[in-house]
Amino acid sequence: DADVTQTPRNRITKTGKRIMLECSQTKGHDRMYWYRQDPGLGLRLIYYSFDVKDINKGEISDGYSVSRQAQAKFSLSLESAIPNQTALYFCATSDSGYTDQAFFGQGTRLTVV
Amino acid sequence: QKEVEQDPGPLSVPEGAIVSLNCTYSNSAFQYFMWYRQYSRKGPELLMYTYSSGNKEDGRFTAQVDKSSKYISLFIRDSQPSDSATYLCAMSAGFQKLVFGTGTRLLVSP
Repeated sequence: DADVTQTPRNRITKTGKRIMLECSQTKGHDRMYWYRQDPGLGLRLIYYSFDVKDINKGEISDGYSVSRQAQAKFSLSLESAIPNQTALYFCATSDSGYTDQAFFGQGTRLTVV
Repeated sequence: QKEVEQDPGPLSVPEGAIVSLNCTYSNSAFQYFMWYRQYSRKGPELLMYTYSSGNKEDGRFTAQVDKSSKYISLFIRDSQPSDSATYLCAMSAGFQKLVFGTGTRLLVSP
């Protein structure tokens, strides 16, 4: 089983719908991140959480929200999906002792039509 | 100007060639440098991790950091078709978020 698991792997949704992407990890890491990847733009940080009670906005948080339900679970929500949120989304984790080494999930390909 | 610049490629080489992948950066506070490899439809995986300036070798891979020039490199010796992937550089100032390059797509032909 993967250490960082994202569900769903693929999703097509309609404009205006609310959608949740889920991430769970078995690495025991305390830090979790959500990134989005677009061609030519690389990986951009949406939100990050250093522990269950700590949530921080990244560089592109508008239109997104997150919930850290437990140390191992971190979900990303699009409250009202729009077409320019079509992208590949990655969850990542890191250990507070080695913050700079991030481990990624397999990604969720989201299409908003 | 982006904090981290990386040529998107694609870079096409024959099998067995030495590959050089590079990133430049502008933030002199960066001191942790990483290379990630991403296969198509997969998440990035950590390939190399380097602290401050210098070289680090792991099998066919060598990571090089030149902080004075704000330039990092990844060398792949005896490249294989299985090395075909997108390579992303990443860096941080320590205990902070990673900043990624846009990635270089590498194609190694048999």
